[in-house]
Amino acid sequence: QAGLTQPPSVSKGLRQTATLTCTGNSNNVGNEGAVWLQQHQGHPPKLLSDRNNNRPSGISERLSASRSGITASLTITGLQPEDEADYYCSAWDSSLSAWVFGGGTKLTVL
Amino acid sequence: QVQLVESGGGVVQPGRSLRLSCAASGFSFSSYGIHWVRQAPGKGLEWVAVLWNAANDKYSADSVKGRFTTSRDNSKNTVYLQMNSLRAEDTAVYYCARDHGNDYEFDYWGQGTLVTVSS
Repeated sequence: QAGLTQPPSVSKGLRQTATLTCTGNSNNVGNEGAVWLQQHQGHPPKLLSDRNNNRPSGISERLSASRSGITASLTITGLQPEDEADYYCSAWDSSLSAWVFGGGTKLTVL
Repeated sequence: QVQLVESGGGVVQPGRSLRLSCAASGFSFSSYGIHWVRQAPGKGLEWVAVLWNAANDKYSADSVKGRFTTSRDNSKNTVYLQMNSLRAEDTAVYYCARDHGNDYEFDYWGQGTLVTVSS
């Protein structure tokens, strides 16, 4: 099953802003939206944003999700050391009747 | 509080079977769907399957279709992943994650259980 496309790595400086992207097609991101997950090494993923770009309770306001066409984005402002992690997007694909994941983006905070 | 606990992982030979469990607590279990998501060593996340409350309301990835099946026992607040005809490429940490429905998925995850398929 074809997955979503994420850049493998992004590096930004402390207190800078990082924007992570996730590109799909009209069967998934374009019509269904995308969820964003964060995973620190050795830990399970954590939901950062639901498919309607809403943050769950307890997720920092420095994070915001959006979508334009078939591309979803996660913007993290004021980068902190704890933001260094792997970030995944995922979406329901209506043509596959399956969830698809992106390959993940490793965010490095310099 | 909401908890999901996976169990049943281990080392198994290619072609053999294994059943994973995901035990839930802290919420009204029968009202939620449960996903299985796996992560091969050093790799990204791969969706495996989702099961809702209705017996036929389930979906699975092409990579496991015909080999893996999901089921649930609401009296035990547990979802199962029956894995048959295991292959080396099924080696991964298997996570279960909750699905609210209403466009709200993956809000709680278990710690995962490791499945190693090796002779």
